[in-house]
Amino acid sequence: GENVEQHPSTLSVQEGDSAVIKCTYSDSASNYFPWYKQELGKGPQLIIDIRSNVGEKKDQRIAVTLNKTAKHFSLHITETQPEDSAVYFCAASRDSGGSNYKLTFGKGTLLTVNP
Amino acid sequence: DTEVTQTPKHLVMGMTNKKSLKCEQHMGHRAMYWYKQKAKKPPELMFVYSYEKLSINESVPSRFSPECPNSSLLNLHLHALQPEDSALYLCASSLREGHYEQYFGPGTRLTVT
Repeated sequence: GENVEQHPSTLSVQEGDSAVIKCTYSDSASNYFPWYKQELGKGPQLIIDIRSNVGEKKDQRIAVTLNKTAKHFSLHITETQPEDSAVYFCAASRDSGGSNYKLTFGKGTLLTVNP
Repeated sequence: DTEVTQTPKHLVMGMTNKKSLKCEQHMGHRAMYWYKQKAKKPPELMFVYSYEKLSINESVPSRFSPECPNSSLLNLHLHALQPEDSALYLCASSLREGHYEQYFGPGTRLTVT
C-alpha cells in the first residue's frame, strides 16, 4: 500500500518568514495530494490540493509543488503569521478505478510561528 | 457552505454504555467517512459510505457500528468500548467517493472510562 513520509515533524519560524514542509510517497499511481491544517481542538481543514496533471498550485500565501518523477510534494507558506500555527498533514491517494479510495496521511508537522 | 457538523463535541462513557455519534452535512455530498484520530497522530480511516451504502470497512471491531440513514446524516453507534478507544472521532464528506475534496467536521472527543 501507499506510504507517505512527512518532514520535518516540528518547525518553528519567525513571523514573516517562509515555511516549507515536504512529503514523499511510495505509490507511483498516486495522483491526488491534499494538504490539511489542524488547529488545536478542531478537525482538519483542507487548505490546498494538487493533482498529478499540474506541477504547482498557488492560493495567496500558500503554494504546493509536485515532482512526480521524484515522488515528492511540498507545502510552501510565505509571510507566515501567528495564526498559521497548527499541525499540517499531507496526504496522497490514487484512483483505483473502483470504489476503493483512501487518503494516506503523513504523520504531521507542528508549525509554530513566533511573533 | 462547506460545513460538516458533529454532535456531541465531548462524550464520556463507561465500558458497558451504548452511545451514538452524529454527523450531518447539507452540501449534497454522497460520500461520508468516519475517521479515528489519536493524539499527535494523523486520522485513520474507519468507514466509508457511498450513496448511503457501506463501501469500506477498515476491519473495525464490531463494537463500532456505522449507519447512514439518509444522504445528509451519518451515525456511529458505540457499544462495549474499551479505554483504548478513547480518541477524537472525525466525520468527513466529499462530493463523491474518489478524487474529491474531503471536508472534515470538528470531531467528537470520546473518553471511555
